[in-house]
Amino acid sequence: EADIYQTPRYLVIGTGKKITLECSQTMGHDKMYWYQQDPGMELHLIHYSYGVNSTEKGDLSSESTVSRIRTEHFPLTLESARPSHTSQYLCASSENGQRGETQYFGPGTRLLVL
Amino acid sequence: GDSVTQMEGPVTLSEEAFLTINCTYTATGYPSLFWYVQYPGEGLQLLLKATKADDKGSNKGFEATYRKETTSFHLEKGSVQVSDSAVYFCALSGSARQLTFGSGTQLTVLP
Repeated sequence: EADIYQTPRYLVIGTGKKITLECSQTMGHDKMYWYQQDPGMELHLIHYSYGVNSTEKGDLSSESTVSRIRTEHFPLTLESARPSHTSQYLCASSENGQRGETQYFGPGTRLLVL
Repeated sequence: GDSVTQMEGPVTLSEEAFLTINCTYTATGYPSLFWYVQYPGEGLQLLLKATKADDKGSNKGFEATYRKETTSFHLEKGSVQVSDSAVYFCALSGSARQLTFGSGTQLTVLP
C-alpha cells in the first residue's frame, strides 16, 4: 500500500485567497508530481520534481507554484485562487529512473473556489 | 509526441459480463504500458503493467497484453463485479519516464 498523503481532502475557499495543498510521502521517492484532474476525468501534469531543489512545469500551464525543500514534501501553492482553479489535484511519487516504474497516487484534494 | 487513445465511456455492464476497454498508443521507442484504476473519491492506483512487447499484465482477474504490432494494450476481464465500478486509465511511460494518460473510461457494473 502506498504511503502518500494529501491534505486537505476538500477545500472551499473564496476568490483571491492564498492556499497551499500539502503532499507528503514516506517511501523515500525522488520523483514527485502534481496532476490536475478536470470534471471530465482527464489528467494533466502541472508540476514535477526529480529531487530536492528541483522543480519543473508540466504539460498544462498552471498559475500554481511548487517547492521541494525536503524529499518527502511537495506542496503546491496558489497565490490568488480563482473559480477557474476549481478542480481535483492529485499528487504522486515514484522511484527514479526505473523502466516501468509505478507512480503512487495520493487520495487527492478537491478544491472549490467561489 | 507520445499519446494514448482510450475507448470512450461511459460503459455500463451487468454483473458477470465480459469487459473490454480498448487502448491504443503512439510513442517512439519502446514504452512501458499501464492500466490505472480510480475508485470513487480516491486517487489512482496501479492495476497492471507491461514493460515489453508480448508481455501480459494481470491483476484481480484483469488482463492486458502489450501488442507492439497493433500498438495496443486492451484491458479485459471475463466476469465483472459491482465492485469493479470505477474509472480506468490507460497510460504509457516513454523515454522521459513520465506518464501520458488516456482520457479515462467510466465503468458501471449493475447487479
